Amino acid sequence: EAQVTQNPRYLITVTGKKLTVTCSQNMNHEYMSWYRQDPGLGLRQIYYSMNVEVTDKGDVPEGYKVSRKEKRNFPLILESPSPNQTSLYFCASSSQDRIKQYFGPGTRLTVT
Amino acid sequence: AQSVTQLGSHVSVSEGALVLLRCNYSSSVPPYLFWYVQYPNQGLQLLLKYTTGATLVKGINGFEAEFKKSETSFHLTKPSAHMSDAAEYFCAVIRSGGYQKVTFGTGTKLQVIP
Repeated sequence: EAQVTQNPRYLITVTGKKLTVTCSQNMNHEYMSWYRQDPGLGLRQIYYSMNVEVTDKGDVPEGYKVSRKEKRNFPLILESPSPNQTSLYFCASSSQDRIKQYFGPGTRLTVT
Repeated sequence: AQSVTQLGSHVSVSEGALVLLRCNYSSSVPPYLFWYVQYPNQGLQLLLKYTTGATLVKGINGFEAEFKKSETSFHLTKPSAHMSDAAEYFCAVIRSGGYQKVTFGTGTKLQVIP
């Protein structure tokens, strides 16, 4: 079954404690992306990757890091989380044409 | 730069009534346009897309949208609303060709009243 998986699904942490949210896809997609969803703001793109070792900033990259060492994985790293990063995060993947993005189930992060 | 504007953060319709969710975009080059649906506590699911060709596109669950270049619009419609259509809907745009970021609208929550 074609899918995008994210872990963990829920996470409560404290300010400054480094964390990683994993994302993995089984469709051999080149393009992967991270979004955050906040009420009234819709989805905003954090980072995207066009292929292994190729990443670029989206609209709201501050405070986040990503890496793409393998085609299937695209982890999101928060080196020093802050309360304003409390949000619902989605990973997505698509083939190079980006015509259809497949979304993961979401990770709800709370930073206290 | 590209942007998407969804008019109305909340829309209420009666069951059986027409659904119309508005989306206007701006893009300096021909865009690809999308509508996604998000049911409560779930990820996003593609409803329909416009890339090239026919400007009226049909999607899943009886939804359709028409690309109107002159009006820079891509409104989503469904002739008759069902209770199961209650969800949040997002319009999105990407530039055709090349690797560019995806821009989403702020979303419209659709309420269907029995």
